Amino acid sequence: SQTIHQWPATLVQPVGSPLSLECTVEGTSNPNLYWYRQAAGRGLQLLFYSVGIGQISSEVPQNLSASRPQDRQFILSSKKLLLSDSGFYLCAWSVDEKLFFGSGTQLSVL
Amino acid sequence: GENVGLHLPTLSVQEGDNSIINCAYSNSASDYFIWYKQESGKGPQFIIDIRSNMDKRQGQRVTVLLNKTVKHLSLQIAATQPGDSAVYFCAESFNNAGNMLTFGGGTRLMVKP
Repeated sequence: SQTIHQWPATLVQPVGSPLSLECTVEGTSNPNLYWYRQAAGRGLQLLFYSVGIGQISSEVPQNLSASRPQDRQFILSSKKLLLSDSGFYLCAWSVDEKLFFGSGTQLSVL
Repeated sequence: GENVGLHLPTLSVQEGDNSIINCAYSNSASDYFIWYKQESGKGPQFIIDIRSNMDKRQGQRVTVLLNKTVKHLSLQIAATQPGDSAVYFCAESFNNAGNMLTFGGGTRLMVKP
């Protein structure tokens, strides 16, 4: 069966520090992969999606970037975090239209 | 689009009662709809989905109703339990968008014992 791993679960970072969040999927090949952000008590905002290795589409302009170095690995990065980058970050993969989410990373930028 | 700037509306129900969570969608071309449940601090979990060629679909204790005429989707939970307390999101997609899901703003369900 397919599983998605996302880490770390929580992260506290100072303003201006770099960021790297990693997500891996098992049990499927060539999945579509996604990064979402969710502010506290709010809805889901699509940040990036990828349909294959090295293929990244950005939905929202920001100081974050994404990379897909391997088929089942999706990385969310930033060179310098802002206070406004705080939130709950979710990785997901899809089969047809159905999305399956990871457990999320709670990022606090202080 | 995604209502990421809105605070979540809240529905409060008594344990054992039925819950109805509503969702309005804007794209008349949407042909696939899905409900997710998100517990605090966790990722959203798939509950049930429905295609536009249906107007009702039932799962275990949950029913999704689709009214394409008024572009309205609802999730009914029978005999609501404390474990049903969570935020519920609807999402829609249509074929020409590459099957990309667009999420609604979410509704918080609180179950009173």
